[in-house]
Amino acid sequence: DIQMTQSPSTLSASIGDRVTITCRASQSFTSWLAWYQQKPGKAPKLLIYEASSLESGVPSRFSASGSGTEFTLTISSLQPDDFATYYCQQYESYPWTFGQGTKVEIK
Amino acid sequence: QITLKESAPTLVKPTQTLTLTCTFSGFSLTSSGEGVGWIRQPPGKTLEWLALIFWDDDKRYRQSLHSRLTITKDTSKDQVVLTMTNMDPVDTATYYCAHFGLDKRAFDIWGQGTMVTVSS
Repeated sequence: DIQMTQSPSTLSASIGDRVTITCRASQSFTSWLAWYQQKPGKAPKLLIYEASSLESGVPSRFSASGSGTEFTLTISSLQPDDFATYYCQQYESYPWTFGQGTKVEIK
Repeated sequence: QITLKESAPTLVKPTQTLTLTCTFSGFSLTSSGEGVGWIRQPPGKTLEWLALIFWDDDKRYRQSLHSRLTITKDTSKDQVVLTMTNMDPVDTATYYCAHFGLDKRAFDIWGQGTMVTVSS
């Protein structure tokens, strides 16, 4: 199984901050990676697919990049609606696996 | 507009079989490239992918749970059903179904989820 490790586990930031979340894979792969945002009591929401493609309707302050074993999600200017937990997921090989999550909190 | 909604009992006893039903609209599982997956999330924990079924009836399972899982589709009802046998308290979780398209290769639309508790 491909293990996905996110860092940090928790991130405290202020409105307007630039935030970067990293997802490291235990095996190298090209681009079959997605990023999701989840708020308490809600289903995950797709933000990014194919490592760097922005899902329709997602604000342009979200961007992502990476390949191989390291992938990143960046929020260019943190907004109040962005405080949530973020997960990466690989689709490279079965079983599809998620990272443990990164909680973005208000500083 | 794609929507999905899960239905299941809220409480099951250990050793019982859980039947989860995903009723969807806005796409057809007879169309090439479409799929529906199941993902669960125990309270306070991360997400765990369980199973996936494609338009062509190709089925994929989480290997560690493969012996307990069966996924099927009923295209006449626009439903996908996941059965999980021999339930245990560690299976207590919110269960989500989600749309998967080969165009994006991601779960782009999720149901609201249904919480299932396993307890005697």
